Amino acid sequence: DTGVSQNPRHKITKRGQNVTFRCDPISEHNRLYWYRQTLGQGPEFLTYFQNEAQLEKSRLLSDRFSAERPKGSFSTLEIQRTEQGDSAMYLCASSIRNGDNYGYTFGSGTRLTVV
Amino acid sequence: QQPVQSPQAVILREGEDAVINCSSSKALYSVHWYRQKHGEAPVFLMILLKGGEQKGHEKISASFNEKKQQSSLYLTASQLSYSGTYFCGTEEEYGNKLVFGAGTILRVKS
Repeated sequence: DTGVSQNPRHKITKRGQNVTFRCDPISEHNRLYWYRQTLGQGPEFLTYFQNEAQLEKSRLLSDRFSAERPKGSFSTLEIQRTEQGDSAMYLCASSIRNGDNYGYTFGSGTRLTVV
Repeated sequence: QQPVQSPQAVILREGEDAVINCSSSKALYSVHWYRQKHGEAPVFLMILLKGGEQKGHEKISASFNEKKQQSSLYLTASQLSYSGTYFCGTEEEYGNKLVFGAGTILRVKS
C-alpha cells in the first residue's frame, strides 16, 4: 500500500486550456474525495465518489469541472477553459467506512497555476 | 457551512501546552482533526464521533461536546515536530463529506 497517489504534482497552463488530473486511491478504500486548497485556507470540498458513483458535487463547482471514477478505481478531475481563479492545490483523499475509524488519507496534491 | 477555528495562530516554546477549538453551527456526527506541514498533504490525527469518548494518543488528545457542536484539540508538552497547521473537519448527521475550518497555525520554538 503506497498511499494516495496524484499526478501530475505540478501543472502550469494557459488560461482557456483544459487540464486533467489523476488520483489513485488506496486500493481497498471505496470512498474518494476531491478538494481544492488555496493559500491560508482549509481544503474546500469539490466532489465525492462511493465506488464508481459520484454521490455529491459542490454547488460552488461550475460546469467547467467534471470528475469520473471508472470502475471504482482511479479518478480523474478535468477543468475545462481554465481561469486564473482556478489556480490552487487540488487534493484527492480516500477512505473506507469501516467501523468508527474512517479518517481520510490525502494525496500530495496537484498544484495548478493558470497564467 | 465552514466550522470556525480558534485561535488563528499560536506560538509556543517546547514543553508548553496548547488548545485549538473548532465550532460548528450544524448538528454534527463526527469531527476529524488533521495536521498539515508546509508543502505537504494533511495527515489524519483522530476522529471523534457523536456519542463517543474523548480520544487521545501520547500527548495529543481531543474532545467533542455534542450539545455545543464544539471540539477541542489538546497538545501537551509540545515538541518541535508539532509545528504545522491544524484543521478540523466536520461531518453533519447523514452527511458523507468533511467540511474543513480555515486552520490554526501552530509554531513551536526551541
